[in-house]
Amino acid sequence: AQSVTQLGSHVSVSEGALVLLRCNYSSSVPPYLFWYVQYPNQGLQLLLKYTTGATLVKGINGFEAEFKKSETSFHLTKPSAHMSDAAEYFCAVTRSWTGANNLFFGTGTRLTVIP
Amino acid sequence: DGGITQSPKYLFRKEGQNVTLSCEQNLNHDAMYWYRQDPGQGLRLIYYSQIVNDFQKGDIAEGYSVSREKKESFPLTVTSAQKNPTAFYLCASSKGGQGIAYEQYFGPGTRLTVT
Repeated sequence: AQSVTQLGSHVSVSEGALVLLRCNYSSSVPPYLFWYVQYPNQGLQLLLKYTTGATLVKGINGFEAEFKKSETSFHLTKPSAHMSDAAEYFCAVTRSWTGANNLFFGTGTRLTVIP
Repeated sequence: DGGITQSPKYLFRKEGQNVTLSCEQNLNHDAMYWYRQDPGQGLRLIYYSQIVNDFQKGDIAEGYSVSREKKESFPLTVTSAQKNPTAFYLCASSKGGQGIAYEQYFGPGTRLTVT
């Protein structure tokens, strides 16, 4: 069965500091992994995704994530936090390769950026 | 512009009433999804549809119903049988196809309050 664990429901960083949001997955099939961002009272927007190939994935707004199969991790990073990065972030993994094109979402990490 | 629209943004209903949430997409996507979002619980899948006139239950389908009569539309009805309907509801769509996890595109959401 597929699942996603996001460590830390709340993360606070200072403006200009490194952002690290953690995601570990469990999957019985080769996973496709996604990071989404949600601003208050809005829908989700795709930040980046890993399917196959290069394990370091670059996304929008300066974010990147590295797929580490040995650690079953897909942590999200950004070298320097900006005030506009304050939002909730969701990691997601494919549920199945034979079923519908469904994703299983983690419970989210709320990022606060301190000026 | 292509995208997903959900209406209304805010919806208020009395307990015991059915209510229908609208979701329309003009992305020509085959697959559509409904999620429920509650604080600290991430996104939970209610129903999904891979093709017109076909849909499947997700993880929390009890008390909800859907229809998929047109490719562009996937309305969700929250029935009086849903014990705790107050939540933020998100609609999403994606390209179809098994074995490939296309990213999902999200609408802006509808916040339903039942009193």
